[in-house]
Amino acid sequence: NAGVTQTPKFQVLKTGQSMTLQCAQDMNHEYMSWYRQDPGMGLRLIHYSVGAGITDQGEVPNGYNVSRSTTEDFPLRLLSAAPSQTSVYFCASRRRVRVPNEKLFFGSGTQLSVL
Amino acid sequence: AQSVTQLDSQVPVFEEAPVELRCNYSSSVSVYLFWYVQYPNQGLQLLLKYLSGSTLVKGINGFEAEFNKSQTSFHLRKPSVHISDTAEYFCAVSVGGSNYKLTFGKGTLLTVNP
Repeated sequence: NAGVTQTPKFQVLKTGQSMTLQCAQDMNHEYMSWYRQDPGMGLRLIHYSVGAGITDQGEVPNGYNVSRSTTEDFPLRLLSAAPSQTSVYFCASRRRVRVPNEKLFFGSGTQLSVL
Repeated sequence: AQSVTQLDSQVPVFEEAPVELRCNYSSSVSVYLFWYVQYPNQGLQLLLKYLSGSTLVKGINGFEAEFNKSQTSFHLRKPSVHISDTAEYFCAVSVGGSNYKLTFGKGTLLTVNP
């Protein structure tokens, strides 16, 4: 049982390049989400999904796309990277959507630098 | 919409001293409150959570938090800290009707010095 797996751990991009951050969980969790963490800003929700085929925007969705074709995977796409997207990205999941006491399981993060 | 304010961005303390990390929230409906901890170069882990019932919640590693509805606070405490408690601590809130999305505070860096 690997939990939440994020790849890659580190990535450097040039402005305008595109890439996909991968997130996979093997716990059959309904809910998956992406956060970005910036110094002094805490964690801000980018996008989330409450099940396969269902996604919604979080607090800071601009410049990012997501899809959820399977329960296990929730990739985050940067279509045209900008320096403002330099950040540490965390994927997180939890078992059920409509239950408030479920804890989030976090991946170990992806450190992204956009030059 | 809900929001979370962590009143201190950094808290330095000496080993074996008590510590309190402050968290205030705002919401027009009932909330569910959490504290998460992030050790260096790791993802976040749940420390404790408050849903209902007793206002004093005990978590892992000797931490506890008290929910105060009148003051809209959920402060985290530990009577005696260890070097290994050095980490960043995040207060978070979720509300119903929003698929219980978590909104995080900006974090408090706790540094325990020998």
